[in-house]
Amino acid sequence: DTEVTQTPKHLVMGMTNKKSLKCEQHMGHRAMYWYKQKAKKPPELMFVYSYEKLSINESVPSRFSPECPNSSLLNLHLHALQPEDSALYLCASSQASGTTTGELFFGEGSRLTVL
Amino acid sequence: AQRVTQPEKLLSVFKGAPVELKCNYSYSGSPELFWYVQYSRQRLQLLLRHISRESIKGFTADLNKGETSFHLKKPFAQEEDSAMYYCALSGWGETSGSRLTFGEGTQLTVNP
Repeated sequence: DTEVTQTPKHLVMGMTNKKSLKCEQHMGHRAMYWYKQKAKKPPELMFVYSYEKLSINESVPSRFSPECPNSSLLNLHLHALQPEDSALYLCASSQASGTTTGELFFGEGSRLTVL
Repeated sequence: AQRVTQPEKLLSVFKGAPVELKCNYSYSGSPELFWYVQYSRQRLQLLLRHISRESIKGFTADLNKGETSFHLKKPFAQEEDSAMYYCALSGWGETSGSRLTFGEGTQLTVNP
């Protein structure tokens, strides 16, 4: 299995809702990432987990809360989001996070719309 | 800080013409450079990495440390090459941990 799987593919939520995005990989990768991508823009790094520990938080607002329950799973918990948070959220994984990331494998993304 | 610059947002060529997508980077250490491609309605995927020195789908890219460039080239473009291309740099960040940073991307259109 060489894929990163993200669910749901689409999510619509109100500003008071609580929802979660999920990501799974079975390639034995020990680094996992969340990126945010707006239309016609490059992916922007949000969080990096390395060996199930949060290693990078790119000053992301606390309404986004990541979680890495085990080496195969990565979640992004969403609460009290704003309409400007609407975007494609990409999950990625790589073998390890040392001095360089190596190749990142990306999921298809979860398209989030905040009303 | 690590930074990637792709000067062309849009690039249009005719089928069979050569194509070059430019990428320049800024990084104080030894970076790892990649080209990622995003075809319409498909996931972002790796096209090339500089350390492998491969040719994938006829594309090549050479790391020029003197000019801090990693331009992507193909001698004869095909219509199926139409896609968004991102140059990306992997390196150790200012705070902690290695990260992959993307350029703004170049939308390549190959016309028949």
